Parts: sequence; structure tokens; C-alpha cells
Amino acid sequence: KNEVEQSPQNLTAQEGEFITINCSYSVGISALHWLQQHPGGGIVSLFMLSSGKKKHGRLIATINIQEKHSSLHITASHPRDSAVYICAALRGATNKLIFGTGTLLAVQP
Amino acid sequence: DTGVSQDPRHKITKRGQNVTFRCDPISEHNRLYWYRQTLGQGPEFLTYFQNEAQLEKSRLLSDRFSAERPKGSFSTLEIQRTEQGDSAMYLCASSSDRAREQFFGPGTRLTVL
Repeated sequence: KNEVEQSPQNLTAQEGEFITINCSYSVGISALHWLQQHPGGGIVSLFMLSSGKKKHGRLIATINIQEKHSSLHITASHPRDSAVYICAALRGATNKLIFGTGTLLAVQP
Repeated sequence: DTGVSQDPRHKITKRGQNVTFRCDPISEHNRLYWYRQTLGQGPEFLTYFQNEAQLEKSRLLSDRFSAERPKGSFSTLEIQRTEQGDSAMYLCASSSDRAREQFFGPGTRLTVL
């Protein structure tokens, strides 16, 4: 069983829809990253959070430390949001990242 | 450009050859990470440097892999006697002690024929 699990693995939405991607982890962490990766492209950090909620534009990330669960929400989705979204847990003194397998999001116009 | 840079962006090599990749982190970042991502999978941790010291290595890092960060700035990752299974995207990320958020380079895509 992976230490970091994401769902769904694939998600197709219509433009304007509210989107939720879930991440659960089974190990102790110091924080959680939400990352975005476009096909063939590099990885961009969207959020790093260790408690509560963060918002940036149309993106909202929440984390519940007790339940070991985090969600990434996208409001008013747009085709340019199409990408792979990855959650990654910061582990240990080195803060190395343990990655989920990613959620492939396709937003159709 | 003050982001993380990696060179080369793409490398095609024949099985058995040696390859070396370079990562230049954000200048004030003392922490540097190497990750590997195979097609359709999430990245996996390879190794970690704090300044010039290599403090953690994954079991994925076989004896054919070696990484250095000689002056605590740029880092190199060398793969000796490459195998087809080494084909992957090699990602470098850096962070600071204070902020912990990791910033990624564009990656080096290695194809071993």
C-alpha cells in the first residue's frame, strides 16, 4: 500500500465545474505539498500546508492532520487547469517528498 | 532567472554509457533533492544534500548512481553503465531551512536505447 494515496486517478470535468481531488496519507508528516505538472513539463508547487486551509486564486487546499487527509479544490475550472495534480508529503528530518501517483485532470470547454 | 535549472533537458544514450546531469538550485537554498519519475508514475526520492553533505540516499540509488554537491551550490548526478530501466525524468528540487517548500527544476529526460 502506498504511503500517499490520491483519488480519483483520472477526472474529466466541464468548464466551470467545481473540482475536488483527495489525498490521504498513512505516515507522520511535517507538511503536505500540492503540485501541478503539465504533460512533458516540469513540476510547479501550488501549496505547502501543515494545517488548516490556503487559497490562491481559484485554488483552495485544506488539510486535516487528525484524519490524515487533504483536498485540493478548483473553483470555476478552465481548460488551462488541465494537468496532473500530485500531492506529496514531507517526511523526516530531511523533508524528502513522498509522492502520490497523481490525478490527471482534463477540463473540457 | 532565479529558479532551479537543470542541464541537459534531454539526453539519449546507448546502454552501457555513462551520463551526468547537473542541477543549479536557487542560490540561497541549502537543501537539494534528486527525484526520479518514470512514465505514468509519481516521482520517487533518490537523494538529499544539505549544503555539501549527502545526508540521505534511497535504496533506489544503486551503486551505479553517484551524486555530488562539492561546494554546496550546484549538484551532479552520474549514472554509470546505463540500463534501459534507467530511462526516466530526473528531477531536482531545492529548498531552504526556513521555508521548506521545494521548488523544482524542469527535469532531465533520459532515454537509454
